[in-house]
Amino acid sequence: DGGITQSPKYLFRKEGQNVTLSCEQNLNHDAMYWYRQDPGQGLRLIYYSQIVNDFQKGDIAEGYSVSREKKESFPLTVTSAQKNPTAFYLCASRGPTGELFFGEGSRLTVL
Amino acid sequence: GEDVEQSLFLSVREGDSSVINCTYTDSSSTYLYWYKQEPGAGLQLLTYIFSNMDMKQDQRLTVLLNKKDKHLSLRIADTQTGDSAIYFCAARMYSGGGADGLTFGKGTHLIIQP
Repeated sequence: DGGITQSPKYLFRKEGQNVTLSCEQNLNHDAMYWYRQDPGQGLRLIYYSQIVNDFQKGDIAEGYSVSREKKESFPLTVTSAQKNPTAFYLCASRGPTGELFFGEGSRLTVL
Repeated sequence: GEDVEQSLFLSVREGDSSVINCTYTDSSSTYLYWYKQEPGAGLQLLTYIFSNMDMKQDQRLTVLLNKKDKHLSLRIADTQTGDSAIYFCAARMYSGGGADGLTFGKGTHLIIQP
């Protein structure tokens, strides 16, 4: 089935560790996005990529990094510089009429 | 930039209609979307409406758009317990070179009373 696959669904990190969240899509979409969701705050854009080998910072990029070496893949690394990384992370790709298709999310908890 | 506002909670009785409201600030928003999020899951696209439309109906869902007031609503007829979720309104403005993504409201928690 076509869609967005995020892994892992749950992830625990010790302070000072970097962790990488995987996002893969088989929808052949060019643009991909990473959002962070906190209770009562809605979705906030971390990074986005319009095309392979290109990506741009969103509204809250500090403490995060991404890469886009393949069209299908847009991994997000949460670095030790992110002071409050506990959150629900959502990856999405953009369809032909601008709608976003989301993965099931990854919940990161810092111990 | 675009701003999208929604009320945080709506409580309805099972079998009644639910109406979730949304306002947006950018009059050049071209597409408006409704998403549903169940606990611990991603966002599921429910429906969308182009800015040149006033209404769109899809089974139990009716979307109304008032461009003059920049107001969007989602009506769910015969609300069921499975409709309990967070509903997000989102607006897209073609930026011609920026993120060209969506601006989301903070979501409305729909609570179903038996």
